Amino acid sequence: AQSVTQPDIHITVSEGASLELRCNYSYGATPYLFWYVQSPGQGLQLLLKYFSGDTLVQGIKGFEAEFKRSQSSFNLRKPSVHWSDAAEYFCAVGAEGFSGGYNKLIFGAGTRLAVHP
Amino acid sequence: GAVVSQHPSRVICKSGTSVKIECRSLDFQATTMFWYRQFPKQSLMLMATSNEGSKATYEQGVEKDKFLINHASLTLSTLTVTSAHPEDSSFYICSASIGGASNTQYFGPGTRLTVL
Repeated sequence: AQSVTQPDIHITVSEGASLELRCNYSYGATPYLFWYVQSPGQGLQLLLKYFSGDTLVQGIKGFEAEFKRSQSSFNLRKPSVHWSDAAEYFCAVGAEGFSGGYNKLIFGAGTRLAVHP
Repeated sequence: GAVVSQHPSRVICKSGTSVKIECRSLDFQATTMFWYRQFPKQSLMLMATSNEGSKATYEQGVEKDKFLINHASLTLSTLTVTSAHPEDSSFYICSASIGGASNTQYFGPGTRLTVL
């Protein structure tokens, strides 16, 4: 069965520092991968997604993620963090059958990002 | 584009009453809508998947008679929590998918339900 692991529950970085949030997935075939961000009391906003093609994916708000099949990872990165980036970040993988129209997502537990001034 | 709204954003009700939450896709037609529940500081738990005009598919452990889902049109899905109890208090989030090759889910802002 598919699963998503976000090893870091909580990360704190200084404003202006670089950021990398880890995500590992378990999936037999080529996965459909997503990163979402959730601000307190809000729904989820899609940052970026990977379906196929170039393994380095650019998203909104200056985020990017790299798909590494050999490591079963899809880590999210940002070169310089802003205070407004403080939020909860969720990695997700499309469940089996995703490409066939059954588009259920499996979410990781999330990583809470705090940004120090 | 791809905006999803939810109404209400917050609701407080008495134990034993029923509460209806609406989820609308504002600028696209959603072939599939999803309902999630999120407990404090936890991830999203999928409750059910609904396709327009057909019965919802519930995840294991979710009571379909307690959480009624109606997907009446390609832009509207409703979740009704029947005979709500304090343990039903939670953050409920819907998402909508255009379907096809994209299959990306777009999420609503969520509804905070508090049952007294």
